[in-house]
Amino acid sequence: DQQVKQNSPSLSVQEGRISILNCDYTNSMFDYFLWYKKYPAEGPTFLISISSIKDKNEDGRFTVFLNKSAKHLSLHIVPSQPGDSAVYFCAARISYNNNDMRFGAGTRLTVKP
Amino acid sequence: KAGVTQTPRYLIKTRGQQVTLSCSPISGHRSVSWYQQTPGQGLQFLFEYFSETQRNKGNFPGRFSGRQFSNSRSEMNVSTLELGDSALYLCASSPAPGYSYEQYFGPGTRLTVT
Repeated sequence: DQQVKQNSPSLSVQEGRISILNCDYTNSMFDYFLWYKKYPAEGPTFLISISSIKDKNEDGRFTVFLNKSAKHLSLHIVPSQPGDSAVYFCAARISYNNNDMRFGAGTRLTVKP
Repeated sequence: KAGVTQTPRYLIKTRGQQVTLSCSPISGHRSVSWYQQTPGQGLQFLFEYFSETQRNKGNFPGRFSGRQFSNSRSEMNVSTLELGDSALYLCASSPAPGYSYEQYFGPGTRLTVT
């Protein structure tokens, strides 16, 4: 069962504009959400996270928003840069004491110069 | 600090064979998790090991197994390979279970089953 969904397989934006990547989940027991970025031939790298008790977390150009009532989170990248072009995965953690996570299928972001 | 290493990086096997993949975590990390990545499915959790014990297991058949050694290195084994097992297998390490934000992934092993 796909408990974490990224419904947009791809997204293309112009350099300098905002990129918004979306993620929906079904399990209300998830307590922690993460975004990972993946370049070809490399493993995913951690980007930003948010606890279920918060609704926003910001780190430089990256901001993650969590809407628990809608079971929705989004990643905003402002301003977008060509180096941000990668596949972005949304992930949700099942429990605080293990690393069992559910991942979305990923969104390929292309930032055009 | 050296990152997570996985060997081999690429592997081609035939249906029915078995395969063993290896993962060396970051020094000091004691938790190792394994994921399978296939197109359109994202990453699917296989299992997590900590202190040589399997803590969690995902929804995969018994053909998928793993183990962890006293130095925290981990191996996963897939027996009786099927075409559908073709995927990128990723290993991730963290200091301990629950440290999801400090989970670092290796580059993966690309397994092709023919």
